[in-house]
Amino acid sequence: DAGVIQSPRHEVTEMGQEVTLRCKPISGHNSLFWYRQTMMRGLELLIYFNNNVPIDDSGMPEDRFSAKMPNASFSTLKIQPSEPRDSAVYFCASSSQDITYTFGSGTRLTVV
Amino acid sequence: DAKTTQPTSMDCAEGRAANLPCNHSTISGNEYVYWYRQIHSQGPQYIIHGLKNNETNEMASLIITEDRKSSTLILPHATLRDTAVYYCIVKGGGSQGNLIFGKGTKLSVKP
Repeated sequence: DAGVIQSPRHEVTEMGQEVTLRCKPISGHNSLFWYRQTMMRGLELLIYFNNNVPIDDSGMPEDRFSAKMPNASFSTLKIQPSEPRDSAVYFCASSSQDITYTFGSGTRLTVV
Repeated sequence: DAKTTQPTSMDCAEGRAANLPCNHSTISGNEYVYWYRQIHSQGPQYIIHGLKNNETNEMASLIITEDRKSSTLILPHATLRDTAVYYCIVKGGGSQGNLIFGKGTKLSVKP
């Protein structure tokens, strides 16, 4: 079991550029979550998918953020355009029946 | 809204038991107590969860008071690798509610 796989591990981009973060959940898990972690705000839930359908996106900070889950094995979080305040570590997690969550190693995003 | 209250930080000597408290006085009857930890620069890791009975697994023990208003996570023999931020989270069973993280307790295990 390779766990939840996120890519890239690190991303440095210039303000205004589009950024796409990727996540491969654990096979057989039916829920997927995107979190963001900063020193100021801690771990925040951005969006939650169940069976590939977005269920709760109330944590998405603004329209510049969008997330998709085209199939059970892949999800993306896109920021367009990116801003320096988007710099954070973004975690993806997956779960079976929402009992326990398995987190990926995260993507450290730096927007300069 | 924070559903749990934890101390900001704690120290523990290596080899001793680490007892991490958590208050959740507003817990509902169908809500579970979950514990996760986050070692520096890694994603959070599931430790244990329980409803009302005490639970034990290979990582830790979870003691929940009879009134369910508080709980304690016990790491029986703490090692330096247990240094991490420990999060106590109250969540409904199954798809009821999501995992919402508070500030947690920074546990430092010292030699």
